Amino acid sequence: AQKVTQAQTEISVVEKEDVTLDCVYETRDTTYYLFWYKQPPSGELVFLIRRNSFDEQNEISGRYSWNFQKSTSSFNFTITASQVVDSAVYFCALSDTPNFGNEKLTFGTGTRLTIIP
Amino acid sequence: EPEVTQTPSHQVTQMGQEVILRCVPISNHLYFYWYRQILGQKVEFLVSFYNNEISEKSEIFDDQFSVERPDGSNFTLKIRSTKLEDSAMYFCASSDRGGTEAFFGQGTRLTVV
Repeated sequence: AQKVTQAQTEISVVEKEDVTLDCVYETRDTTYYLFWYKQPPSGELVFLIRRNSFDEQNEISGRYSWNFQKSTSSFNFTITASQVVDSAVYFCALSDTPNFGNEKLTFGTGTRLTIIP
Repeated sequence: EPEVTQTPSHQVTQMGQEVILRCVPISNHLYFYWYRQILGQKVEFLVSFYNNEISEKSEIFDDQFSVERPDGSNFTLKIRSTKLEDSAMYFCASSDRGGTEAFFGQGTRLTVV
């Protein structure tokens, strides 16, 4: 069975600090996809990144970066120079090798990030 | 930019009533999903739909739930007889093929009283 663990329930940092959100996953599949979604106070789910299990290269997008380590089954997310607009709940998610027509996401419990001005 | 649209944004219904939540997926997408998020909890998969049939459903998706794509654009989730515990945010999502990111709608907050 798949499982995603986000051990940090809530994090608060002062604006401009860097912050890392942890994500640890479990799966028996050799091919899978990892995702991060942002849920701002307005409630929608905003896609941030998708990573294939065969691609362990770290990725940077502006102030966001992701560290994928298969050896520790982790897919951590770092925000550099945090801003108040980064305040949201962040979900890590996992999908197994998609069956024909199926892309079921297993979500973690989320980390509520609060950026203090 | 194309987006998934859900209506209504908020629905209040009495226990035992039927509700239909509506979604318009992105037009060229082929795979459709419903997820549920009870307030303050994680997002949970309900059902996936492809080629006019259910591909997979979770144990949450019992006989009270059904999905339908009545025409070329809408994708609906019906709850036949709502219970208090059905109160949640319901998200529709779509993707153009398996293995790509699913785009989520803004959600419908269902409150059962």
